[in-house]
Formats: sequence, C-alpha cells, structure tokens
Amino acid sequence: QSVLTQPPSVSGAPGQRVTISCTGSSSNIGAGYDVHWYQQLPGAAPKLLIYGDSNRPSGVPDRFSGSKSGTSASLAITGLQAEDEADYYCQSYDRSLSGWVFGGGTKLTVL
Amino acid sequence: QLQLQESGPGLVKPSETLSLTCTVSGGSISSTSYYWGWIRQPPGKGLEWIGNIYYSGSTYFNPSLQSRVTLSVDTSKNQFSLKLSSVTAADTAVYYCAREDCSGGSCYPFWGQGTLVTVSS
Repeated sequence: QSVLTQPPSVSGAPGQRVTISCTGSSSNIGAGYDVHWYQQLPGAAPKLLIYGDSNRPSGVPDRFSGSKSGTSASLAITGLQAEDEADYYCQSYDRSLSGWVFGGGTKLTVL
Repeated sequence: QLQLQESGPGLVKPSETLSLTCTVSGGSISSTSYYWGWIRQPPGKGLEWIGNIYYSGSTYFNPSLQSRVTLSVDTSKNQFSLKLSSVTAADTAVYYCAREDCSGGSCYPFWGQGTLVTVSS
C-alpha cells in the first residue's frame, strides 16, 4: 500500500481536461514538502512533468500543471491528446520515514 | 550536464546479493545540497523507494527493506552503491538511482534511466 494515494485510473476525451489527485498526510505533503509528478509511457523510464508542486521542467508543455493544498496535490492536464495516455505518479518526502514516498500510480486513458 | 548511470549484473540468483552502482557525471556527489537514493519498479507495478544516502554517509531505508539493504558512497569515484541481500523473485525490478537537489527553493529530482535486475536461478 502506497503512502500517497492516487486514483487507479482516470479517463477523458481528446481536448478535455482531467485531474489526478495525490493525497498524503501531515508527515509528507501536509508538512510542506515538495510534490513531483512523473509520466511513464509503456516500457520507458518515468519522465519528470512537474517539480516543486507546480514547476514545469524545460520542454514540458504548459498543458500540464500542478497544485497543492493541505495534505493533497493535483496534476491537471488540459487539451488532452492521445499521446498523454500513460501512467502518472506523484512523489514527495516523508519526515517520519526520512525518505521519498510515492503514489500507487494512475493510468490515464484517452477515449 | 548531469547524468546518472546505473550499472551491475542483470541477473542474480535467489538468496544471493544484488549489487548496483550509480556513477554520477556532470556534478559532484559531495555537495551538501543533494539527496541521493535508489528506487525500484517491479514489472507491471508501481514505484518503491529503497533508501537514501547523503555525502556524509548518513543513510535512511524503506522499513520493508531495511534489514537487507546497504548503501555506500565513494566520493573519490563520484559513485554511490546499493547492496540488497537474500534476494528472491520478488526483488526482480528496474532499479533507478536518483538525486534530489533542494538548494534552489524548490527541490528538483533527477533520475537515471534504470537497469533491469532479474532474480532467477
């Protein structure tokens, strides 16, 4: 069981907006630690989409955005495209474990 | 440009010790701003944190793996290493080494490309 909780799956039609939630606790997200988001295509390594809650690395389209409030964080994807179909993971730091924690992953299906 | 490269045997026998090394190029492993660590992903499953090590040698482990994991740093070679003892088929996974830089206000993670380790006789 993952320390951070994500929905197992989400879906949306091309052009729509979807959000993926990541729920933690007062020892990780709620303590103010940064949340990162990754996209993993089949057979590939995870690719960094969002770092530090809401920052996009160079080259990541602005269709991807991140936010955080309280003990939860969210990844939003607007203008959904077929190539966005992938698994998405959130990551943070947990002060009780003194280490990184992950969500269980969310599979995005583009209808 | 920062690069992290995992290396080690791709096949390990059950009950033996898995050993991997992460070679860091384009940056120093000795910086006080960096957290170094290992993550793994079994086939078809999610990501799992294994442990973290700091340049000073301080280590922190996933409680579920703590009894079997050893992490070390070799600053002279700009490398850090993972040893996982008494492996079973459940330890078959892609293993990633990673760095998190928290010196700039926001933390920035960076991962290697990963290496598949299969546990099988």
